[in-house]
Amino acid sequence: GAGVSQSPRYKVAKRGQDVALRCDPISGHVSLFWYQQALGQGPEFLTYFQNEAQLDKSGLPSDRFFAERPEGSVSTLKIQRTQQEDSAVYLCASSFPRGTQYFGPGTRLLVL
Amino acid sequence: GIQVEQSPPDLILQEGANSTLRCNFSDSVNNLQWFHQNPWGQLINLFYIPSGTKQNGRLSATTVATERYSLLYISSSQTTDSGVYFCAVPPNSGNTPLVFGKGTRLSVIA
Repeated sequence: GAGVSQSPRYKVAKRGQDVALRCDPISGHVSLFWYQQALGQGPEFLTYFQNEAQLDKSGLPSDRFFAERPEGSVSTLKIQRTQQEDSAVYLCASSFPRGTQYFGPGTRLLVL
Repeated sequence: GIQVEQSPPDLILQEGANSTLRCNFSDSVNNLQWFHQNPWGQLINLFYIPSGTKQNGRLSATTVATERYSLLYISSSQTTDSGVYFCAVPPNSGNTPLVFGKGTRLSVIA
C-alpha cells in the first residue's frame, strides 16, 4: 500500500519568501506529525494533529510557522517570510492512535 | 523533558561484522521505536519495541524498560546497512510525538 508522501521533495526559497509543504498520510491514519531535521541531528517535533484538530503546536519555532489539516487527511506546513535558519528537512509522519509512526521521505528546504 | 542518548555516535564496520547500538532514556516509556535513515534521508521503521526482544532477519532489538535502555543488534553487516540509526520515545504516555536521540552513524565498508 501507499506510504506517507510529501511534496515538493526539494524546495529552494529566497529569504523572505513564503513556502508551503504538503503531507499525504497513510489512508486511515488519524494522527499526523510534523518534524524538523537539521543537518546531522535527529528529527525534532513541530506539531501534531489528531484528525483535523491540532492538539500540540509547542514545537513550532516561531509564529512564522503554521500548519493545518482542514479535512483530517492532507496537511500543509506553511512557513512565512523564510529565514536562512529555516533550512532543514521537514518530515511528516502518520499513525493510528498510539501506534507506530511511519515517515514520509521529507522535504529538503534551502533558504538562500 | 525526557532525554535520549545513543552510543556510539559513529561506527565503522567491515562487511560481515556484528555490532550493538545502544539507546538510553531518562524516564519510563511505553513505546520505543528504532529507525534506519538511509543515505537518501528516508526514515525506515525497524522495530516498535516498548519491552522484550524482537528479531527481523539480521536485525534484532531488546528493550529493558525497567533499566531504561534498548539495544539494536546488527549481525553480518552489509554495505546497505550504512546510514544513521535512531531510537525514539514519546515524552509521556498516549499518542504523543517522538523524542529522538542524536543517532548512531554506521558506515559498513566492503
